[in-house]
Amino acid sequence: QQPVQSPQAVILREGEDAVINCSSSKALYSVHWYRQKHGEAPVFLMILLKGGEQKGHDKISASFNEKKQQSSLYLTASQLSYSGTYFCGTDAYSGAGSYQLTFGKGTKLSVIP
Amino acid sequence: DTAVSQTPKYLVTQMGNDKSIKCEQNLGHDTMYWYKQDSKKFLKIMFSYNNKELIINETVPNRFSPKSPDKAHLNLHINSLELGDSAVYFCASSPGTSGGGETQYFGPGTRLLVL
Repeated sequence: QQPVQSPQAVILREGEDAVINCSSSKALYSVHWYRQKHGEAPVFLMILLKGGEQKGHDKISASFNEKKQQSSLYLTASQLSYSGTYFCGTDAYSGAGSYQLTFGKGTKLSVIP
Repeated sequence: DTAVSQTPKYLVTQMGNDKSIKCEQNLGHDTMYWYKQDSKKFLKIMFSYNNKELIINETVPNRFSPKSPDKAHLNLHINSLELGDSAVYFCASSPGTSGGGETQYFGPGTRLLVL
């Protein structure tokens, strides 16, 4: 089942902060975050494993609340280069020892000067 | 030295034709995937292969047939192309056995347009 992302779109001025949320109705093993710029492939940002961890690099961080089956991506002091569509992917057990990554519909982030 | 490569990058063809898209990864990964991204940017998994074996086969028309000659290659053959097949097709790979929690590395995509 597809995770639900919110908001669908957000416009920020450089230097502003944003939060993108991702929630699932299924028990999750992990949550992935990817960014896709127009005309390009999705690029991995980070992965959070169950256990309720938090991760970050530079000014982008994320949290994963396993009990609530939710993850949030935090972008602080946004830069023009942060513009793109952010996808969360939820990893859930699909049977026969394998997991399946299902992506949300994406959140389009636009950073303007 | 591209990690995950796809050919062709663009494919324009007529309805009813048969076409193939090739994917190769030089990362030594065990698992490869095909995704379809439609015009609304929805990224949906189609197939997953682990070491040449099919492990995920979503509800995809049987006009689509993946083939994995070895674990570094996963090709997608599409028969009797339809207008609705127009999309960007991404190949991806991950290191292990699709055991969860693995980063997926995406190829550059193949933009298919069916006229």
